[in-house]
Amino acid sequence: AQKITQTQPGMFVQEKEAVTLDCTYDTSDQSYGLFWYKQPSSGEMIFLIYQGSYDEQNATEGRYSLNFQKARKSANLVISASQLGDSAMYFCAMREFGTGTASKLTFGTGTRLQVTL
Amino acid sequence: NAGVMQNPRHLVRRRGQEARLRCSPMKGHSHVYWYRQLPEEGLKFMVYLQKENIIDESGMPKERFSAEFPKEGPSILRIQQVVRGDSAAYFCASSPQGTGGEQYFGPGTRLTVT
Repeated sequence: AQKITQTQPGMFVQEKEAVTLDCTYDTSDQSYGLFWYKQPSSGEMIFLIYQGSYDEQNATEGRYSLNFQKARKSANLVISASQLGDSAMYFCAMREFGTGTASKLTFGTGTRLQVTL
Repeated sequence: NAGVMQNPRHLVRRRGQEARLRCSPMKGHSHVYWYRQLPEEGLKFMVYLQKENIIDESGMPKERFSAEFPKEGPSILRIQQVVRGDSAAYFCASSPQGTGGEQYFGPGTRLTVT
């Protein structure tokens, strides 16, 4: 089974609108962390936001928020007030802390977001 | 505080040659991770190293690939006898500790095998 599933290969959003990028995950660990990274066309990986499995509040970082629904095993990224510079690939990733390989990140296949005027 | 450094940024090799990719972690970080990104795919874990130790190499191909992180100097990912399928972006990340905490990514090395 896929550990991280991103079902939207591509998304369009108008400038200044909000957009939600979906991410579901699969783990039997009780302790894990969920990450979102942005990869612009230049190729670097930019960390956006982190949610720990025991965090009771949804994580927020500026215009980014993470809609964490633990029972549904989903960790959707919400970008508010989209900007043209938000156009990029977005990857959801997970670290499972309860296993012997607690250090590696497992990534989804990504969602390509295009912000339009 | 300089970020994670990778060099070269772009590397072209002919089939059968060796590729050597370097990664200098952030200052104070002693944990290094290598990931590979094939075209139009997400990143896949390859190997996790601490200074002079390979901690987890579960994502490394069994042949032709090796990694090291010596006591002094950068971490090296070595690919011997490259094939076209090795063409990818190779990312290095570092962290100050192994479990928990954010991994800081370098800009990546784009390897093209002709």
